Amino acid sequence: EVQLVESGGGLVQPGGSLRLSCAASGFSFSDHYMGWVRQAPGKGLEWVGRIRNKADSYSTDYAMSVRGRFTISRDDSKSSLFLQTNSLKTEDTAVYYCARIYRNNWGEDYFDYWGQGTLVTVSS
Amino acid sequence: DIQLTQSPSFLSASVGDRVTITCRASQGIRSYLVWYQQKPGKAPKLLIYAASTLQSGVPSRFSGSGSGTEFTLTISSLQPEDFATYYCQQLNSYPRTFGPGTKVDIK
Repeated sequence: EVQLVESGGGLVQPGGSLRLSCAASGFSFSDHYMGWVRQAPGKGLEWVGRIRNKADSYSTDYAMSVRGRFTISRDDSKSSLFLQTNSLKTEDTAVYYCARIYRNNWGEDYFDYWGQGTLVTVSS
Repeated sequence: DIQLTQSPSFLSASVGDRVTITCRASQGIRSYLVWYQQKPGKAPKLLIYAASTLQSGVPSRFSGSGSGTEFTLTISSLQPEDFATYYCQQLNSYPRTFGPGTKVDIK
């Protein structure tokens, strides 16, 4: 069974940092691209970014709203995904979901499994 | 960035109703669109990929159609467990933007 468990959320002051983690199990983590999506309280989903696998050089893409402040990384030996969030702003307050990416034969890559999310609150 | 709009943003319906949600893209995205369902306090769940292909395990009352810039999600006969918020997402280019969501509520 595929499982994704996020951790590391909490209360942080504006300008601060947090490192979110996502522990994966039940599938071959190293083969998959992985991503992060966030959802501000009462709002819709926002794509944060994505990291490819080793075969594709662990390359990353980010939403413009977080580029230069957030960094996605992974440790395939520990089946873990990370989101380093720096220079946090009040508008970064959200539940952060980690998600597995499935790539089909038509060149699509979409989130097929999601974690339960971890809440990040940025407030003074 | 590709912008997605959804209509309606809110929909009140009864069990057994046929429901249609529309997602429009600001530019052509071929068939690179997926639909998710999200219930309160839960993570989103993948329903449809490639605009019209049902994810394994998803009931056949859900269907998707469209290509280019206009897409629809249809629930043929609404069930109590279908009351949720539905999001489209485009996979044509980065960033992988989501639509603003359509909340389906009980009439």
